[in-house]
Amino acid sequence: DAGITQSPRHKVTETGTPVTLRCHQTENHRYMYWYRQDPGHGLRLIHYSYGVKDTDKGEVSDGYSVSRSKTEDFLLTLESATSSQTSVYFCAISESPLGQGASYGYTFGSGTRLTVV
Amino acid sequence: QKEVEQNSGPLSVPEGAIASLNCTYSDRGSQSFFWYRQYSGKSPELIMSIYSNGDKEDGRFTAQLNKASQYVSLLIRDSQPSDSATYLCAVNAASGGSYIPTFGRGTSLIVHP
Repeated sequence: DAGITQSPRHKVTETGTPVTLRCHQTENHRYMYWYRQDPGHGLRLIHYSYGVKDTDKGEVSDGYSVSRSKTEDFLLTLESATSSQTSVYFCAISESPLGQGASYGYTFGSGTRLTVV
Repeated sequence: QKEVEQNSGPLSVPEGAIASLNCTYSDRGSQSFFWYRQYSGKSPELIMSIYSNGDKEDGRFTAQLNKASQYVSLLIRDSQPSDSATYLCAVNAASGGSYIPTFGRGTSLIVHP
């Protein structure tokens, strides 16, 4: 996806270990988001950021933390991975706070498939 | 709890037909509405956005919004096998001053030759 990359693309980790997923953008967009996608649940917001060091919780934030020290990077950390956190994780960016007349929508990264065993 | 409902499908249509995908939402304060297409194993891709009641056309795609009835739909004319994908509806409403969209679970579309 142009301007937004996620790493790693795939990861298998053991229960109880910490895991950090990275989202990097070159679009200089202010807003960044982390979602997880699971069968039967669709896309659910974990955390989002509206600027450097400005973050807030989403619908399913328990067990996750985020950091944004630079405009271009938004990190998602699973402090102690559990099997319920096995999922596909998507990062998304947007130019503006969606809904304020914005026509931009989201641009999504390619996703990270995380398996916790 | 803001809800966005979509029929999970699959919706199966023959090549060349019109595919009609529907989405209803619960929050009357919703302001912006989006349709994303997601191919299997890929990330969602924005294909349409709409803000005002009525129709918005872009190529073979038409988004329709009816705020009074709280539904938004996507029509795909002259459907092609390459349109086979899951279509996600996303709806924005102000929540505590922030505008965070709620996604539906998606409708799977299959276009058969």
